[in-house]
Amino acid sequence: DQQVKQNSPSLSVQEGRISILNCDYTNSMFDYFLWYKKYPAEGPTFLISISSIKDKNEDGRFTVFLNKSAKHLSLHIVPSQPGDSAVYFCAALLNSGNTPLVFGKGTRLSVIA
Amino acid sequence: ETGVTQTPRHLVMGMTNKKSLKCEQHLGHNAMYWYKQSAKKPLELMFVYNFKEQTENNSVPSRFSPECPNSSHLFLHLHTLQPEDSALYLCASSQGPGIYGYTFGSGTRLTVV
Repeated sequence: DQQVKQNSPSLSVQEGRISILNCDYTNSMFDYFLWYKKYPAEGPTFLISISSIKDKNEDGRFTVFLNKSAKHLSLHIVPSQPGDSAVYFCAALLNSGNTPLVFGKGTRLSVIA
Repeated sequence: ETGVTQTPRHLVMGMTNKKSLKCEQHLGHNAMYWYKQSAKKPLELMFVYNFKEQTENNSVPSRFSPECPNSSHLFLHLHTLQPEDSALYLCASSQGPGIYGYTFGSGTRLTVV
C-alpha cells in the first residue's frame, strides 16, 4: 500500500506560468515532507522541505504548502522555466527518527518555452 | 571527490552473470541506502545500513546481496537476475536513517538480458 501518492504522472506548463505538483499521504505520523528533483541520468537532488508544524515554506520560485487535515501537500513553481523540466518526487519522514524516507512515484514536469 | 559516487553508470548483464554495483560517499555520513527506480513506480527502498549494520531489508529477493564493509562504501552484488530487475539503482547516504539530508548518487542503469 502506497503511503505517499503522486497521482499525476506528468504535467505540462507554459514557460512563465505556475506549475503545481500535488502529493497525498496516508500516514498521519509523517512529520516532515520533502521534494526532490531528478534530471535524466542523475540522482534526485533535494529541492525544498516542510515540517508538519508549518503550512508553508518558500524558497525563491519554489513554495511548498502543507494541509495536514487533508494529508496533502503541493509544490508551486512560479514562474516556471524550461530548466525546471524534470521528475519531481515527493517524500515523507516518520517522526520515529529512525526510519528512511518514503517516496512517491514522481511527476514528470515539462515546461514548454 | 565529494558526494556520492556510483559505478558503473551503465551495466548490461545476462541472467546467469554475477556482477556488483559500487557506491562510495565522502560526506562523513553514517547511513547508506540502495533504492530501485522502475518506470511508473515509486522509488523503492531496498536496503538500509547504519554504521555498517543492515537495519532494513525491504523484502528484497536473495539474488540481490548487499555488502557494507565500512560507512563509506556500499556494494550490491547481483546474481541470476531476471529481466524485470532491469531498472535504475540509486545509492544514497545521510547522517542517519531518520535524518532527511539524503544525498543521492547518479545511479547505475541496469539492463538484464
